[in-house]
Amino acid sequence: KQEVTQIPAALSVPEGENLVLNCSFTDSAIYNLQWFRQDPGKGLTSLLLIQSSQREQTSGRLNASLDKSSGRSTLYIAASQPGDSATYLCAVGGVNNNDMRFGAGTRLTVKP
Amino acid sequence: DAGITQSPRHKVTETGTPVTLRCHQTENHRYMYWYRQDPGHGLRLIHYSYGVKDTDKGEVSDGYSVSRSKTEDFLLTLESATSSQTSVYFCAISSGLGGVTDTQYFGPGTRLTVL
Repeated sequence: KQEVTQIPAALSVPEGENLVLNCSFTDSAIYNLQWFRQDPGKGLTSLLLIQSSQREQTSGRLNASLDKSSGRSTLYIAASQPGDSATYLCAVGGVNNNDMRFGAGTRLTVKP
Repeated sequence: DAGITQSPRHKVTETGTPVTLRCHQTENHRYMYWYRQDPGHGLRLIHYSYGVKDTDKGEVSDGYSVSRSKTEDFLLTLESATSSQTSVYFCAISSGLGGVTDTQYFGPGTRLTVL
C-alpha cells in the first residue's frame, strides 16, 4: 500500500523567502504526482502535475521535482508572498491513476 | 475554475438516516471521484466512476454506494449514516486522457455532520 508523507507538517517563513516543501512515497511504481493547494474551508486547487516519465514541472514561481527512485518530490516556491499561505498537499497516482494517495499536507504561513 | 458543484454544501443528520450527496460537472469529463477528508487521515478515495454506470471502489468504500446515470452527475449515498461518517466530502473530476489531462479538479466540498 502506497504511503505518502509530507514534512514538515507546518512551516512559517518571512515574506520574500524561497522555500521547499517535501513529499516522500513508499512505492516508486507511480503514474503521476500532483501538488495541490488548499485554503481553509475550501476545496483543492491543482498546482502542478508531474508524469512518471518527467523530472520536473514549473509554473510561475512554483517548481516541482520528482525522483521516483528515491521516492521523493519537492515543491519549490520562490519569493514567497503572504498570499501563498495555505496547506499544500502532495498526491501520488497509482499505475491506473484511480488510486490516488494523499499526504497529510504542509501548512504554510508567510508573514508580511 | 473547473465547473464542479456539490450539493448540499452543509448537512446535519441523525445516525441511521440515509443521506445522498450530489456532484455535478459541466466539463464533460469521463472520470469522477468521491473523497473524504478527515484530520489525521488526509484525503481518502471512497469510490470513483470511469463512465456512465461504471464505478469502482476506493480505499474506504464500506458504508457508501454511488451511482452515475449521466455523465455530469455522480451521487454518493450513505445508506445508514453513522457518526464515523462525519467528514468533509469532496468530489473531483478528470478527463483521464493521459498526461496533463489527468489533473484532478476538485469541487468546493460538503460538510456532513452525523449526530
